[in-house]
Amino acid sequence: TQLLEQSPQFLSIQEGENLTVYCNSSSVFSSLQWYRQEPGEGPVLLVTVVTGGEVKKLKRLTFQFGDARKDSSLHITAAQPGDTGLYLCAGRYGGATNKLIFGTGTLLAVQP
Amino acid sequence: NAGVTQTPKFQVLKTGQSMTLQCAQDMNHEYMSWYRQDPGMGLRLIHYSVGAGITDQGEVPNGYNVSRSTTEDFPLRLLSAAPSQTSVYFCAARRGAGIYGYTFGSGTRLTVV
Repeated sequence: TQLLEQSPQFLSIQEGENLTVYCNSSSVFSSLQWYRQEPGEGPVLLVTVVTGGEVKKLKRLTFQFGDARKDSSLHITAAQPGDTGLYLCAGRYGGATNKLIFGTGTLLAVQP
Repeated sequence: NAGVTQTPKFQVLKTGQSMTLQCAQDMNHEYMSWYRQDPGMGLRLIHYSVGAGITDQGEVPNGYNVSRSTTEDFPLRLLSAAPSQTSVYFCAARRGAGIYGYTFGSGTRLTVV
């Protein structure tokens, strides 16, 4: 059972377009992270969000944590070919667990 | 500063063979984890450790063993390889619990025939 669902699974867009990727769960997260992975490499951390309703910006990337801390979104403005990659969300569930559970991933291709 | 180093990068095994995937980190991080990545499945947690001598199971632990005798090393053992274990395996380390993110190795691509 996948605890974290991402949508869409695949996205192919032209350079300059905007896009949004979603990460959803029926469970509440104590924190959530977004990673980007390029072919042949491990994922690289982009951001961590902790507070419900929190918004963080990283250049052209905007990350939002849902008010109920069950969902998150990643918005990219004016996408560039360098944004191409697999985007993964990862959630940590509260309590004693030390596990970080990853979502199913969104594969983004930005065409020049 | 190498971060997280995984060896080997590629491996082909026959069904029933055993092997150990090596993982070493030089960041003195307490937490380490093993994930497998399959198409359309994201990353699934196999085993994790919160410090030397302490390990626990993740989402898909069957067929794998781990041990953590030192802070630096966290090897993953495949006891009797099966085709279903064909995957890309990632080792990761993070400073501690809470909001810290993982630093990942570059992965081991394993094929079981």
